[in-house]
Amino acid sequence: QSALTQPASVSGSPGQSITISCTGTSSDVGGYNYVSWYQQYPGKAPKLMIYDVSNRPSGVSNRFSGSKSGITASLTISGLRAEDEADYYCSSYASGSTRVFGGGTKLTVL
Amino acid sequence: QVQLVESGGGVVQPGRSLRLSCAASGFTFSRFGMHWVRQAPGKGLEWVAVISYDGSDKYYADSVRGRFTISRDNSKNTLYLQMNSLRVEETAVYYCAKDGAGQVALDYWGQGTLVTVSS
Repeated sequence: QSALTQPASVSGSPGQSITISCTGTSSDVGGYNYVSWYQQYPGKAPKLMIYDVSNRPSGVSNRFSGSKSGITASLTISGLRAEDEADYYCSSYASGSTRVFGGGTKLTVL
Repeated sequence: QVQLVESGGGVVQPGRSLRLSCAASGFTFSRFGMHWVRQAPGKGLEWVAVISYDGSDKYYADSVRGRFTISRDNSKNTLYLQMNSLRVEETAVYYCAKDGAGQVALDYWGQGTLVTVSS
């Protein structure tokens, strides 16, 4: 149950696109199409942004998209806005019916 | 609307026990799996445990297996986490979260309850 690997930080200017990667193993990300992404503001609870690799819950902007290739999943945010500045976490279903999170990525909007 | 309200956090000495509760409302609690996730101060999210909709299946992170027990009372719409032999490094905000419908993700989260393990 090792944590998924995410970059500690990414940044971008308003209007640009950024991508956050999430690398696991064949026992989690690579083995199942069950990657989810969460947005968290300081002092707040996480919010689901993407589920099952590439699906958006109702109410989440279509500027957020997800994908997966092999053992690496990605979250892309297009048309970056100041309000997107937050921490982002990936998560995956893992063998043994467990879950695993990534270490988190701090997104800075310049 | 879905509401998850955690309680039971506080200051506890290393080696002691604590039980957290999560009161659920706004959805049919007995139809969904439930999770506990924790976050140490300034750190990332760590998945702790999951329980199936009827309580028949329970799974734990390696770090807590054998010391923590997840349970639920569907008649009270409440989720629990019994934490024994607590360690200093388990100081964290503990969140309860609900499984999504037809999706493998945590679609609603509570506001969290802080557990501080300190002598």
